[in-house]
Amino acid sequence: DGGITQSPKYLFRKEGQNVTLSCEQNLNHDAMYWYRQDPGQGLRLIYYSQIVNDFQKGDIAEGYSVSREKKESFPLTVTSAQKNPTAFYLCASSIFFGEGRTYEQYFGPGTRLTVT
Amino acid sequence: GENVEQHPSTLSVQEGDSAVIKCTYSDSASNYFPWYKQELGKGPQLIIDIRSNVGEKKDQRIAVTLNKTAKHFSLHITETQPEDSAVYFCAATPYGQNFVFGPGTRLSVLP
Repeated sequence: DGGITQSPKYLFRKEGQNVTLSCEQNLNHDAMYWYRQDPGQGLRLIYYSQIVNDFQKGDIAEGYSVSREKKESFPLTVTSAQKNPTAFYLCASSIFFGEGRTYEQYFGPGTRLTVT
Repeated sequence: GENVEQHPSTLSVQEGDSAVIKCTYSDSASNYFPWYKQELGKGPQLIIDIRSNVGEKKDQRIAVTLNKTAKHFSLHITETQPEDSAVYFCAATPYGQNFVFGPGTRLSVLP
């Protein structure tokens, strides 16, 4: 059963704690992405990775960090430096990302993070 | 950079009627335009997309039209059903660049 999995579905943390969100895909996609979704707003790009061991900042990277040690995995850490971390976080992947063509992005089910 | 506007923000239709959601974009270099459907508490699902070399694409009850001159594209859903109720997002991007999403349209199909 191919797809993108995110865990956990709901996550609660105290302010000041770092938290890591998991994203795994078995689609053999090269590119992976993290988006943040707030109520009534579109998706905003946090980080993306075109290949293993390489990643770039998106539009709202401050307070977040990522790693890409394996093709299948792209975990996102929400650090204590993120001022408003409560949000719905979505992971996505595409076959490839690069010049010359745009490939379809497919999303995981999301993780809802609540920080109090 | 690219900016995508989406209208209306909410839309209610009677079951069986048609629904139309429109997006406008600012970057004339954009040439890929996907539409996503997001049900409550779930991740967005790609439902249809269009590239700049075509003006219209259909898939059963859904269709997308693109007007490159006016820089807008629209999602058309015919014969709406209650299961079409969801939030719909459009996006625009030039080739090889990141997606820019619209703010979404909440569609309610009333039985």
